[in-house]
Amino acid sequence: NAGVTQTPKFRVLKTGQSMTLLCAQDMNHEYMYWYRQDPGMGLRLIHYSVGEGTTAKGEVPDGYNVSRLKKQNFLLGLESAAPSQTSVYFCASSYYGFYEQYFGPGTRLTVT
Amino acid sequence: SQELEQSPQSLIVQEGKNLTINCTSSKTLYGLYWYKQKYGEGLIFLMMLQKGGEEKSHEKITAKLDEKKQQSSLHITASQPSHAGTYLCGAFSQGGSEKLVFGKGTKLTVNP
Repeated sequence: NAGVTQTPKFRVLKTGQSMTLLCAQDMNHEYMYWYRQDPGMGLRLIHYSVGEGTTAKGEVPDGYNVSRLKKQNFLLGLESAAPSQTSVYFCASSYYGFYEQYFGPGTRLTVT
Repeated sequence: SQELEQSPQSLIVQEGKNLTINCTSSKTLYGLYWYKQKYGEGLIFLMMLQKGGEEKSHEKITAKLDEKKQQSSLHITASQPSHAGTYLCGAFSQGGSEKLVFGKGTKLTVNP
């Protein structure tokens, strides 16, 4: 099993550009999450999904959109990137709520 | 909203020494999770505690949740360079099973 994988690993964007981060899990987990990690701020939840076709806002959802068309995939979109979105993005999945979350290796995004 | 405070923020120890990291909440913890993160990598799940007074061990790492379920400690015995990294605690918001809130982490350095 690959666990949780993220694509791409690194990306540099210019302000105003758009991109999509892909998260895939092969553990048949129902719940999936997107976090961002910034120095001094810790991990913050952007959006999450409790099942295929569902999405919900987390702590810092502004500027991001998500989709969960297939159970195994969770996409994070930036429609118009801003320098404030420079961060490391982590995807995670869990069997259900209150179960441990398994994290991907992260995507390092720089917006210039 | 629930906030988790970790102490210390950073810790430097000599190989072979014991150490303790604390995670404190002002509210009751519903499921307390400990993760380890190596620089530039994703989070690795260590342990989960749910019941007041619960204690779990894995190799040389022991985690405890106090009776009031407001504080957890992570103790490493006879530290090794392989224990180096950032340790994060996470807990679910009161009444919710979707949103895991994280502390800002404790960076551990183990000198040979």
